Amino acid sequence: DQQVKQNSPSLSVQEGRISILNCDYTNSMFDYFLWYKKYPAEGPTFLISISSIKDKNEDGRFTVFLNKSAKHLSLHIVPSQPGDSAVYFCAASAYSGGYQKVTFGTGTKLQVIP
Amino acid sequence: DTAVSQTPKYLVTQMGNDKSIKCEQNLGHDTMYWYKQDSKKFLKIMFSYNNKELIINETVPNRFSPKSPDKAHLNLHINSLELGDSAVYFCASSRGGEAFFGQGTRLTVV
Repeated sequence: DQQVKQNSPSLSVQEGRISILNCDYTNSMFDYFLWYKKYPAEGPTFLISISSIKDKNEDGRFTVFLNKSAKHLSLHIVPSQPGDSAVYFCAASAYSGGYQKVTFGTGTKLQVIP
Repeated sequence: DTAVSQTPKYLVTQMGNDKSIKCEQNLGHDTMYWYKQDSKKFLKIMFSYNNKELIINETVPNRFSPKSPDKAHLNLHINSLELGDSAVYFCASSRGGEAFFGQGTRLTVV
């Protein structure tokens, strides 16, 4: 049972345009959401996060939107740059049994075309 | 300065062998993890340790035994390796917030 889903395995965007990566979740107990970026042969690196008490968080070219009623979050990258080409993982965490447990989505491979 | 380092980066071994992957973090974090990324690219948690204590064990076979000698280290020992164990294994650490990942160990069982 995949509690965090990224339904688009890949996405191609022209340089300078907006990239929108989507993520859906099923567990209403998730209260903290994160996006990670992963280059080949490297571990995932943290990109941006959002608490469930917010609906938007912005950091430079990256903005994460959270729609709790729809159990949906998205990552917007604008403008997209070729260096943004990577796999992006959505993650959600819930406090359970005294600890935060993080569940990852399956990833979306973003290709930014120069 | 590598925050989370794991060794080796690549590991090729025969079925039935026993192998270990080491992980060290210099971030002072209390919590460390092992994740497995399989052929379908799913990134799944295997274990989580907090202050050297096991807190999450996600129905991983007993052949996998994590060991945390101190807060900065979480090693993964695998007995009787099987073909299905081939994957990339990531170590990570955190302190309540985002996790920092190691570069991964690509394990190939032949």
